[in-house]
Amino acid sequence: DAGITQSPRHKVTETGTPVTLRCHQTENHRYMYWYRQDPGHGLRLIHYSYGVKDTDKGEVSDGYSVSRSKTEDFLLTLESATSSQTSVYFCAITPNRDTRSYEQYFGPGTRLTVT
Amino acid sequence: SQKIEQNSEALNIQEGKTATLTCNYTNYSPAYLQWYRQDPGRGPVFLLLIRENEKEKRKERLKVTFDTTLKQSLFHITASQPADSATYLCALPNSGYSTLTFGKGTMLLVSP
Repeated sequence: DAGITQSPRHKVTETGTPVTLRCHQTENHRYMYWYRQDPGHGLRLIHYSYGVKDTDKGEVSDGYSVSRSKTEDFLLTLESATSSQTSVYFCAITPNRDTRSYEQYFGPGTRLTVT
Repeated sequence: SQKIEQNSEALNIQEGKTATLTCNYTNYSPAYLQWYRQDPGRGPVFLLLIRENEKEKRKERLKVTFDTTLKQSLFHITASQPADSATYLCALPNSGYSTLTFGKGTMLLVSP
């Protein structure tokens, strides 16, 4: 599992409340990603990070922000959750890009329900 | 980013047969293409990466082809088993190669 953990694993929250999801890795990988997965849409990239304090937007970044203050943690924040953000959220890493190894390894996912 | 098409209908096959899944893309041909497996309630798991100059790659019962002229990859599982039942995703890098675009996946169901 590439040493990736996500917390919480399940969360139910109300519309309008802030929510922060955490991705933690133990192997100092430089690249980290946040995806959401929804029926009919597949996996879609929200934000990614290529180093501490270095982040960029993905395909579906509206309504989300991220922070990476240390290598091992990548946080995804929904400032004001909406029902459309009900989804399964996956964190991923790319190990060791220096050897042209581009595959991604995923965490177990967080199931978020916004009521 | 890439536009990727995978058959949205589930593929049902009998145990022991060869399963063939298709991934088509419509933009530029990338330097490599990847295949992942996803089981219900779990994150995707990386299976194979094939580079543009490799044409074919094998790993145990898995075989992947990559035709940059047709803009297509085929994913084969030989001697399929019920344990191979899962959703299979293909993924291609976006320009800059920092991120991937994933197809929506094809569900494979192998019956005993």
